Amino acid sequence: DTGVSQDPRHKITKRGQNVTFRCDPISEHNRLYWYRQTLGQGPEFLTYFQNEAQLEKSRLLSDRFSAERPKGSFSTLEIQRTEQGDSAMYLCASSLGERSYEQYFGPGTRLTVT
Amino acid sequence: GQSLEQPSEVTAVEGAIVQINCTYQTSGFYGLSWYQQHDGGAPTFLSYNGLDGLEETGRFSSFLSRSDSYGYLLLQELQMKDSASYFCAVMDSNYQLIWGAGTKLIIKP
Repeated sequence: DTGVSQDPRHKITKRGQNVTFRCDPISEHNRLYWYRQTLGQGPEFLTYFQNEAQLEKSRLLSDRFSAERPKGSFSTLEIQRTEQGDSAMYLCASSLGERSYEQYFGPGTRLTVT
Repeated sequence: GQSLEQPSEVTAVEGAIVQINCTYQTSGFYGLSWYQQHDGGAPTFLSYNGLDGLEETGRFSSFLSRSDSYGYLLLQELQMKDSASYFCAVMDSNYQLIWGAGTKLIIKP
């Protein structure tokens, strides 16, 4: 069990550019979640997958955000036409079966949009 | 709407006991989780209450009262390494976690 990993750990981009983040969950976990966290706030749910199916997406999420989880393994989160308001920590988590209340988080990708 | 309320900051002394409260108002509810997050780190799972009552895990305990929409995390024998932010999170009917804004726990020697 190597834990949840995310890549890159830091990303600095200019406004208007596209960025893509990767998450590798714990291998036996079938659920994968993406969150966004800003300083002094709790994680904000973005979307989640059960195996390869994207089951839920936050209604607050702009259509500039898209996520995939091909073959139910790793996942990618893409942000198109980045804005300064997208600057945040993007966290990925995974969980096993019905234990969705017990999520294991990766170290996060810190995005800075200049 | 959905909301969770917890104190923004709590201060305690090393070796003491501290309680962090959480009240919630959500459209669906399956249970209440607690997570710890150190500065610069990722959240780590501490405890879950799916039913009313007390759950104990070492120095940490968590309580839930569904009728009062209320829970708390109790930390005993505080250590300096317990200095962190603590989040309550509701598991809603879509199996998603809805998070509070977190409580920053400051421990003084």
